[in-house]
Amino acid sequence: AQSVAQPEDQVNVAEGNPLTVKCTYSVSGNPYLFWYVQYPNRGLQFLLKYITGDNLVKGSYGFEAEFNKSQTSFHLKKPSALVSDSALYFCAVRDEGGLGGGYQKVTFGTGTKLQVIP
Amino acid sequence: DTGVSQNPRHKITKRGQNVTFRCDPISEHNRLYWYRQTLGQGPEFLTYFQNEAQLEKSRLLSDRFSAERPKGSFSTLEIQRTEQGDSAMYLCVSKRDSNYGYTFGSGTRLTVV
Repeated sequence: AQSVAQPEDQVNVAEGNPLTVKCTYSVSGNPYLFWYVQYPNRGLQFLLKYITGDNLVKGSYGFEAEFNKSQTSFHLKKPSALVSDSALYFCAVRDEGGLGGGYQKVTFGTGTKLQVIP
Repeated sequence: DTGVSQNPRHKITKRGQNVTFRCDPISEHNRLYWYRQTLGQGPEFLTYFQNEAQLEKSRLLSDRFSAERPKGSFSTLEIQRTEQGDSAMYLCVSKRDSNYGYTFGSGTRLTVV
């Protein structure tokens, strides 16, 4: 079964500094990886995904993520953090289970709270 | 594209009562998933529909839980004899075959008192 680990419950970073939110995954077959963000009392919003191709994926709001197959990691990054980036971030991997691998359900990590300090 | 709609947004119920939630996915999305999210945790998979067929159920989905998608359009999730441990946000997600994007509803927040 696939799984996702987010080793940090919380990440604190000063505004204007680069940020990294860590994610490692375990999956059989090719990984389909996602990052989502959740603001208080809001639904999950898609940030970016890795399906294939370039290891550096660019997404919404200036975020990017680096896929590293050898380290089975998919860390989320941003060059310069904003206070408005403070939120809960979830890494996720798509499951290729089911008949012919067709169910495509997503398994989420436990989330990392990002706090950007003014 | 009007998004995934979930009703109600909030539900407060007494322990032991039955509750039903509704999800209206994006019309051309044939895949529909239910997730449960407790405070500070990631969403946990509950069940999956492809059109009207329920193809997978998590072990989290006890026999008090039932989900339907009768015509392959909207879906309902019913919890019978609610317990305090059922208090959570219930999320509906839909997806179309031809792309990789998942669309989340805003969720139904259930509080069992």
